[in-house]
Amino acid sequence: DIQMTQSPSFLSASVGDRVTINCKASQNINKYLNWYQQKLGEAPKLLIYNTNNLQTGIPSRFSGSGSGTDYTLTISSLQPEDVATYFCLQHSSRLTFGSGTKLEIK
Amino acid sequence: EVQLVESGGGLVQPGRSLKLSCVASGFTFSNYGMNWIRQAPGKGLEWVAYISSGSSYIYYAETVKGRFTISRDNAKNTLYLQMTSLRSEDTALYYCARERRVDYWGQGVMVTVSS
Repeated sequence: DIQMTQSPSFLSASVGDRVTINCKASQNINKYLNWYQQKLGEAPKLLIYNTNNLQTGIPSRFSGSGSGTDYTLTISSLQPEDVATYFCLQHSSRLTFGSGTKLEIK
Repeated sequence: EVQLVESGGGLVQPGRSLKLSCVASGFTFSNYGMNWIRQAPGKGLEWVAYISSGSSYIYYAETVKGRFTISRDNAKNTLYLQMTSLRSEDTALYYCARERRVDYWGQGVMVTVSS
């Protein structure tokens, strides 16, 4: 099975900061990498699919990049409503998830 | 609006069975594969099972193979997960989620396996 290593597990940043979260796959996943946001008590929400495609309705401050085994979610200017847990998912082979990054406002 | 609503969770003793349901609305259910995904308390997300749109392809995680059965009724827009021989390690919040690339999730239903 493909393993996903996500970092950091916790992140504290100020409003307006640029924030990056990383996921590393144990093998090439050919850009089959999604990013999700989960707020407390809510269902996960798809932000980015297949590395760099913004899901409909998601603000443009969210973006994704990467290839091969290394992938990044970037929030260009952190907003208060972005407080949430973020996680990645590879869907190249079966499904495996990153362990999550809890993002808070400093 | 895509909606997925799970039900059927609860407290069950080890070794017993439970059947989860997920009712879909807001899209043509019969056109999409579906997944069950779970998250144990304090743990990460774990994919459990997948069924293709017409039930031709079914896959399971090794941790549940032989104990869990995924199925669907396209006429009722409903996905199922029959869980047997339940263990304490099956305690988790169970989500249904749409498609292989997992674009929509339900809110989840809690299953607690304990004596």
